[in-house]
Amino acid sequence: EAGVTQFPSHSVIEKGQTVTLRCDPISGHDNLYWYRRVMGKEIKFLLHFVKESKQDESGMPNNRFLAERTGGTYSTLKVQPAELEDSGVYFCASSQDHWPAGTLNTEAFFGQGTRLTVV
Amino acid sequence: AQSVAQPEDQVNVAEGNPLTVKCTYSVSGNPYLFWYVQYPNRGLQFLLKYITGDNLVKGSYGFEAEFNKSQTSFHLKKPSALVSDSALYFCAVRALAYSGAGSYQLTFGKGTKLSVIP
Repeated sequence: EAGVTQFPSHSVIEKGQTVTLRCDPISGHDNLYWYRRVMGKEIKFLLHFVKESKQDESGMPNNRFLAERTGGTYSTLKVQPAELEDSGVYFCASSQDHWPAGTLNTEAFFGQGTRLTVV
Repeated sequence: AQSVAQPEDQVNVAEGNPLTVKCTYSVSGNPYLFWYVQYPNRGLQFLLKYITGDNLVKGSYGFEAEFNKSQTSFHLKKPSALVSDSALYFCAVRALAYSGAGSYQLTFGKGTKLSVIP
């Protein structure tokens, strides 16, 4: 079974440009998450999709970030325009938790991440 | 609010010696705890989790973790370290019970770099 895949693995862009990151979750996983790790800091939650719906986007830093999950399959995260502080590793994860659930008990599986460098 | 503390940025251990990577947490209600590992140039890999039951949880690659409710800790351990265990280790927590849209968020620690010396 294929895991969570992310594309590209690396991206170097100039400040002010646009970048789009893609995530393909594990097949059958309704839940898809985006996280980000800025160098040397914690991995921070960005947002959570259940199928094609955004359930929690409380971690999105500002309106330069736009996430979509058309058809409830793969997801994209667009940064427009990119700023220097957006540099970091962007992780995508998916899980089988059922929404809503009384008890959450399945782990999230992560992709290899996209390393974004804004120069 | 949830939080995770990994007090050591780096842990060095000699190959063959036991290793411990520390983690303490704070969460409302019962915790759902995880350890993930990131090898160089790789993604986050799930190692093990604690939900309920036995306080000693066994995971991948010979790792185990001990849940201590009174100390709110979930330390990662391995009886005999290998050079190939050298990686970045992350502890994470979320609440076990659903309490709204934010329930699914994992809160991570800063990570601990483990170096196993031959």
